[in-house]
Amino acid sequence: SAVISQKPSRDICQRGTSLTIQCQVDSQVTMMFWYRQQPGQSLTLIATANQGSEATYESGFVIDKFPISRPNLTFSTLTVSNMSPEDSSIYLCSGGASNTEAFFGQGTRLTVV
Amino acid sequence: GENVEQHPSTLSVQEGDSAVIKCTYSDSASNYFPWYKQELGKRPQLIIDIRSNVGEKKDQRIAVTLNKTAKHFSLHITETQPEDSAVYFCAASIFKDSSYKLIFGSGTRLLVRP
Repeated sequence: SAVISQKPSRDICQRGTSLTIQCQVDSQVTMMFWYRQQPGQSLTLIATANQGSEATYESGFVIDKFPISRPNLTFSTLTVSNMSPEDSSIYLCSGGASNTEAFFGQGTRLTVV
Repeated sequence: GENVEQHPSTLSVQEGDSAVIKCTYSDSASNYFPWYKQELGKRPQLIIDIRSNVGEKKDQRIAVTLNKTAKHFSLHITETQPEDSAVYFCAASIFKDSSYKLIFGSGTRLLVRP
């Protein structure tokens, strides 16, 4: 199993600013993913973070808005850029081996005012 | 596109009764199906998973069944306890853009009444 530490756990940000969320895994993992979860809703995949290459984004999400870094097999960041109140949500990272259990970070509760 | 449908959205049972949550998936190539439990304010945690080469898997009070032909799988919780109260998500793996990804169902809020 893998333990994923995610920070910050929560933040309140001004509109127009950017926030970078970090995830650190205690072991090397092949795959890392970023999800968004509105309160009381399901998990929506934002992108797959590939080590050594650009992230792969799902429909409705673009790199300019959600740039992602994956410098090595234990770390990834997601930046929420030029934030608006609509970006208020919980952001979760996950990681694991390919096509198997995904472990989640504890989530970042973002409020944009 | 690929999707996973989950029912019911809410489920209320008496302590000691059984609970069943059902999911259907659209991608016939999906071969890995995990179930996650998410307590309020916490991260999703895997409770059981199944691969397409088996039809059923059990772990104490929790079991999952898979019908590949019908493309549906179910979570069964027996002898429910108040601490089982949480939101449960099913998921199915898809292979897209050269990697496997998990697509999640909409979630089931389970309430176990003492």
